[in-house]
Amino acid sequence: GNSVTQMEGPVTLSEEAFLTINCTYTATGYPSLFWYVQYPGEGLQLLLKATKADDKGSNKGFEATYRKETTSFHLEKGSVQVSDSAVYFCALSNNAGNMLTFGGGTRLMVKP
Amino acid sequence: KAGVTQTPRYLIKTRGQQVTLSCSPISGHRSVSWYQQTPGQGLQFLFEYFSETQRNKGNFPGRFSGRQFSNSRSEMNVSTLELGDSALYLCASSLEPGGVYEQYFGPGTRLTVT
Repeated sequence: GNSVTQMEGPVTLSEEAFLTINCTYTATGYPSLFWYVQYPGEGLQLLLKATKADDKGSNKGFEATYRKETTSFHLEKGSVQVSDSAVYFCALSNNAGNMLTFGGGTRLMVKP
Repeated sequence: KAGVTQTPRYLIKTRGQQVTLSCSPISGHRSVSWYQQTPGQGLQFLFEYFSETQRNKGNFPGRFSGRQFSNSRSEMNVSTLELGDSALYLCASSLEPGGVYEQYFGPGTRLTVT
């Protein structure tokens, strides 16, 4: 079956530091890959997505590249802000439906 | 455009009771999915509905059920509640099924079972 593994947190960074959150997946076929963010007390918001190999998703300074050869979709940001503090989830879905398989989530804490 | 709305936002129930949660998708969205979020198990898929038909179901016992109405609104029901059912239940909607369509999540319903 499908599975997503992401680095455990919390990840604590100083403002303007470089961020990497690792995500690897196991899936049959060619899934779509996603990063979602969850702020305290809220639901999930789609941060970025990639639907085929070598695609790069980007949004709000965050980037992730769909690497089929390494089955990875690592999230990066060049300079984090305090407002980026949240829980980040890597997820995949097969393209036939909406069933998302999520990783365990990584809590990011950014200190001023 | 209004987002996905879920009612109620908070709910406290006793073991053995049943509960119904409601989800109104974004206008024009016809696909609705439900997820359970707990500290121990993380985010787990419950069901997916499209055009009033259940397309996929996650690995949950039969106590968990759902349905979708002709206006795309969806409800999920949990019968004979157990302590372990305490969780945040999230609903997501999209235009249609398929990984290429973005799913928009609601704020969730936090269910506490005592």
